[in-house]
Amino acid sequence: DGGITQSPKYLFRKEGQNVTLSCEQNLNHDAMYWYRQDPGQGLRLIYYSQIVNDFQKGDIAEGYSVSREKKESFPLTVTSAQKNPTAFYLCASSSETSGGQETQYFGPGTRLLVL
Amino acid sequence: RKEVEQDPGPFNVPEGATVAFNCTYSNSASQSFFWYRQDCRKEPKLLMSVYSSGNEDGRFTAQLNRASQYISLLIRDSKLSDSATYLCGMDTGRRALTFGSGTRLQVQP
Repeated sequence: DGGITQSPKYLFRKEGQNVTLSCEQNLNHDAMYWYRQDPGQGLRLIYYSQIVNDFQKGDIAEGYSVSREKKESFPLTVTSAQKNPTAFYLCASSSETSGGQETQYFGPGTRLLVL
Repeated sequence: RKEVEQDPGPFNVPEGATVAFNCTYSNSASQSFFWYRQDCRKEPKLLMSVYSSGNEDGRFTAQLNRASQYISLLIRDSKLSDSATYLCGMDTGRRALTFGSGTRLQVQP
């Protein structure tokens, strides 16, 4: 089955600890994204990558880092510099349709909690 | 002013009702528009793309009004299973989408 997988489903972080969230897709999509969602709020863009070995900061990149060494993988590291990391993290990927639209599909998400 | 704005609701409607949501945007250069549905504690799922000519998928109709800079979603004959949060998303000059905060719909028996 084609799709986007994220792991783990739940992640607990201790103070001062870096943690890495996994995102893998087998849709052969070029672009991948990381969003953060806080309770009752919309999605805010953290980082995105349009192509392997390239990525751009989104609206709330501080305290996060990413890598894009393979087309199918886009891991997100939440560093100790991120002071309020508790949130629902969503990975997405997209491809351009024949009509020129960029349609994004989401993985099931990772819930990060700080202990 | 936020780039993308939605009324958070909740919209409480009886089964069978017709309900409509709007989503306003500030970037007149936006070209691609989408509606997503998000169930509680789940990921957003694409409901439909929004085209300039409007589009319909069963009970759902999406419209784009470029002059007034908003998109709309109309749901006819509401079902209990339509209860969810509806997010609008659009490009705002970069390849990634910018999303509204979502409108919560509660369909009641």
